[in-house]
Amino acid sequence: QKEVEQNSGPLSVPEGAIASLNCTYSDRGSQSFFWYRQYSGKSPELIMFIYSNGDKEDGRFTAQLNKASQYVSLLIRDSQPSDSATYLCAVARDGQNFVFGPGTRLSVLP
Amino acid sequence: EPEVTQTPSHQVTQMGQEVILRCVPISNHLYFYWYRQILGQKVEFLVSFYNNEISEKSEIFDDQFSVERPDGSNFTLKIRSTKLEDSAMYFCASAGTGFDEQYFGPGTRLTVT
Repeated sequence: QKEVEQNSGPLSVPEGAIASLNCTYSDRGSQSFFWYRQYSGKSPELIMFIYSNGDKEDGRFTAQLNKASQYVSLLIRDSQPSDSATYLCAVARDGQNFVFGPGTRLSVLP
Repeated sequence: EPEVTQTPSHQVTQMGQEVILRCVPISNHLYFYWYRQILGQKVEFLVSFYNNEISEKSEIFDDQFSVERPDGSNFTLKIRSTKLEDSAMYFCASAGTGFDEQYFGPGTRLTVT
């Protein structure tokens, strides 16, 4: 059974702080790793996609991947109230069959 | 901004009835997906579709489910005989050649009574 686990949350951070979201996965054959943001009542929105070990930065977002530890994280710098949402981690072997985690709810306090 | 559209936004049906959920993916995309999300639970992959055929499906996607791309633009999910436990939000998604081009539609809320 392929599993993806995330911090249960909710995670609360003050505006301007760094939010750190973590994800572990069980399938060592996973090749692609995704972070989505889902606002309440809305569909997921892809934020980051990473497939190589190390860091990948896009604006205020940095994804970090460590395949040996089966761990992927998302850092949000200078957190804004508009970042308040549920963050979903997903992994895929070949970009076809995605396995999602349960999500971590982030609340950024003004 | 490219957009995936889905219709209807909400479908109510009786147990045992057939439903068809419709999606219009982004026009130059190559990969198409259906997911579902039961209220308060995680997103679950159902099926992926590439080159006019199913490329991968999950255990959830049993014989009650089918997908079609009937006219090169629409992408449909059919549930032949709905069950109460099929009640969920169904999301369509499409992706181009790079998976960082993946976009979700707004979803269809299916309620089976």
